[in-house]
Amino acid sequence: DAKTTQPNSMESNEEEPVHLPCNHSTISGTDYIHWYRQLPSQGPEYVIHGLTSNVNNRMASLAIAEDRKSSTLILHRATLRDAAVYYCILRDRVFQGAQKLVFGQGTRLTINP
Amino acid sequence: NAGVMQNPRHLVRRRGQEARLRCSPMKGHSHVYWYRQLPEEGLKFMVYLQKENIIDESGMPKERFSAEFPKEGPSILRIQQVVRGDSAAYFCASSLQGTDGYTFGSGTRLTVV
Repeated sequence: DAKTTQPNSMESNEEEPVHLPCNHSTISGTDYIHWYRQLPSQGPEYVIHGLTSNVNNRMASLAIAEDRKSSTLILHRATLRDAAVYYCILRDRVFQGAQKLVFGQGTRLTINP
Repeated sequence: NAGVMQNPRHLVRRRGQEARLRCSPMKGHSHVYWYRQLPEEGLKFMVYLQKENIIDESGMPKERFSAEFPKEGPSILRIQQVVRGDSAAYFCASSLQGTDGYTFGSGTRLTVV
């Protein structure tokens, strides 16, 4: 699986937008960009994924750079419940054996009240 | 539609005993993944199973650990002769197809005393 690079930690304030960056300079053409998050004492939770175009869902938005070497997860209005570790993961859709998710260290997001 | 169910939530075993962790995937999901998370560390892939088949066990320790996903019933992660270093949170995830997003369970927290 291609490698991603994320900041170890970030901090933001409640009700403000949060932009979580991810670098993936070795991304291949068939890699999807997935984001998961893990709240304290819980299992990871799917957030969003995309290939080339920006994506929106009820939880977040995903902005993908034109060259696909980086992406940004956007939480439009952070709440205390968004405090978690956020993982950016590349996943190849082509090869049967590459279907497992490989988690890095992620970004620990702290939200201040 | 219940999510991924893991039981027990907490398991305490003495050194040398066996631990059996169960995972019932979401209804209709035939792909199951097991991950381990040591205290203050990231999630490490262990094994990927489809019904009655082990697809990828590259993350499984060579000794004492085994996994199965029978035609009927939950997936089982079995740890024989547990040691203190096995103390961790074990998460199970399932997906409809191997390329879909994962749904994780709440985990089993194993403590070896």
